Parts: sequence; structure tokens; C-alpha cells
Amino acid sequence: EIVLTQSPGTLSLSPGERATLSCRASQSVSSIYLAWYQQKPGQAPRLLIYGASSRATGIPDRFSGSGSGTDFTLTISRLEPEDFAVYYCQQYGNSPPKFTFGPGTKVDIK
Amino acid sequence: QVQLQESGPGLVKPSETLSLTCAVSDYSISSPYYWGWIRQPPGKGLEWIGSIYHSGSTFYNPSLKSRVTISVDTSKNQFSLRLNSVTAADTAVYYCARTFYGSGSYYFRFDPWGQGTLVTVSS
Repeated sequence: EIVLTQSPGTLSLSPGERATLSCRASQSVSSIYLAWYQQKPGQAPRLLIYGASSRATGIPDRFSGSGSGTDFTLTISRLEPEDFAVYYCQQYGNSPPKFTFGPGTKVDIK
Repeated sequence: QVQLQESGPGLVKPSETLSLTCAVSDYSISSPYYWGWIRQPPGKGLEWIGSIYHSGSTFYNPSLKSRVTISVDTSKNQFSLRLNSVTAADTAVYYCARTFYGSGSYYFRFDPWGQGTLVTVSS
């Protein structure tokens, strides 16, 4: 069973700065099964990135995803005030067939 | 644009069955996608519960499989979750979401999500 680890747990940054979030898998993950979500307090998660690097509809281009195998990265090029939130990675594995989420990275205002 | 809305009791007693429904609007549940449930205990992360196709085909999180049933009602354009023998550990916000999975989807993901509903397990 694949386990996802996200780091750091909390990232304290200022608006305008660059955020780099890591998602590491315990085994190799197919890129087509790797997605990223943003969740703000009291709201449902929102899909940001799918297929490791494709932006979902309506997602600004300051969000980008990259990586392959066991190491994936979500980058926010210049933080806007509305980007301070928790970010989760998600993967699908075949053995057993199962979706799993990482524990999340909180991006808060420094 | 597809919209999802969860509904059901907000309070369930221990050992009883949690039942929730997700109504899908502005989109046919019979479209070639799966439909799923995900939960989030207060202050914690996300856990996928299971997903269903309009044909009734399901797959579940192995850790919950023995207690979970997901069903679909295409005539009402909705799908439902039943989780039996609940304990305090099942207290969570329960979300429904369209699930991109299987031969009809290349990239597997959840999009969009309902707003979520809090279910508390307590006597």
C-alpha cells in the first residue's frame, strides 16, 4: 500500500513569495494518478492539479505541478492573500485499488 | 456545471448506521464517471471511503469495506452512503465528489466536491 508524505507540515511565507510543497510516495506512483487540492477553512477541497502537472479549469497559472516516480512538487510562484490554505496531494494505487491523500501542508502568513 | 449537495442526519448514536445522500444537479449521474465519498475528521486530513458507477459497480477503501455500502439511484440522480456500527472515530465532515476513475478517465481525481456535511457520533 502506498503512503504519501507531505513536507513541510507548515510553511510560513509572505505574500509575493514563492511556495514549494513536497509530496513523497513510499512507492512509485504513476503521474496520471497524482493530484493536488487546496482547502480553505470551512470549505471543501478544490482540485488544483491533476496528472501531476495539469492545471484544473480556472486555476491561475501561478500554480504549477511537477515530478514523477516518488517525488512530486506543487509550486506557487507568487503567493496571493487567497492562497494561504492547506494543500493535499492524492494518489491512486492498484494494490489494493485505493485512493489515498497525503497529510497536508499548511501555508500560512508569516 | 455539475453541483453536488450532501444531506442527512447530523447526529448518529454509537453502534447505529450513518446514512447520507448526495444529490447531483445540472448533470446526469448516468454520465461515464464514478461518484464518491470522502471524509475528514475535525482538524485532520482526508480519507477516501468509496466510489460507485451508475451501473452500481463499487469499490471501497479496504479499511472501511466491511462497514460501508454505497448505492445509486439514477431515477433521482443521487447516490448514498451507509456506514454501520459507527463509533466516535467516524465523526467527520463527509464530502461527496465526482470521481474520475476507470477506463473512462485517464487522470484519476475528485472534482468537483460538495460543500460537505458534519456528522457527529455521540449518544
